[in-house]
Amino acid sequence: SSELTQDPAVSVALGQTVRITCQGDSLRGSYANWYQQKPGQAPVLVIYGKNNRPSGIPDRFSGSSSGDTASLTITGAQAEDEADYYCNSRDSSGNLYVIFGGGTKLTVL
Amino acid sequence: QLQLQESGPGLVRPSETLSLTCTVSGGSISRSSYYWGWIRQPPGKGLEWIGSSYYSGSTYYNPSLKSRVTISVDTSKNQFSLELSSVTAADTAVFYCARHWDDSSGYSYFDYWGQGTLVTVSS
Repeated sequence: SSELTQDPAVSVALGQTVRITCQGDSLRGSYANWYQQKPGQAPVLVIYGKNNRPSGIPDRFSGSSSGDTASLTITGAQAEDEADYYCNSRDSSGNLYVIFGGGTKLTVL
Repeated sequence: QLQLQESGPGLVRPSETLSLTCTVSGGSISRSSYYWGWIRQPPGKGLEWIGSSYYSGSTYYNPSLKSRVTISVDTSKNQFSLELSSVTAADTAVFYCARHWDDSSGYSYFDYWGQGTLVTVSS
């Protein structure tokens, strides 16, 4: 089965831009989606597909992809963006099999 | 606004079956093209997909859990359920239910989530 690899931790200065990456073979055929999870809360979808934001998600969140790597970019990070971020995609097997990355803890300094 | 709410015992004995229900409000389970899924998160760890079911009964499971998992949908109650058998302490986790979009063009995401419920496996 496929795996999605994320850096365990990333930090960014307040107001600066940060990129969180997700790497895996499944991303060559399926889109990455991104979730934000704050302590004690359920994950929230922030980016899905090519670069789509659900209603209510600030436009400072954007997504991109190249080859086997997808990225979530936060342009002008805010204190409230400090959270764990998870990517997910469909496995490359062709069956409905969902995989999640291990998560990245974002610290806003 | 679609809302999902998990319910079920917070404590399950080892070797027994964990049973949870997700009640969907603000929309019909059967009037959409979405799957309905379960995801779990052990304390301090990441997310793991358990499985998803379409309202018509088509189900897909994580291969690592497939032998122990059953997901079913009750359209009359607008609910879907999870059963995980032969549980051990390793199954202790927060369990989330979620609406799941999956299609053949490469999209597979969870857009609405329940608040999650902690299930502890202990004697």
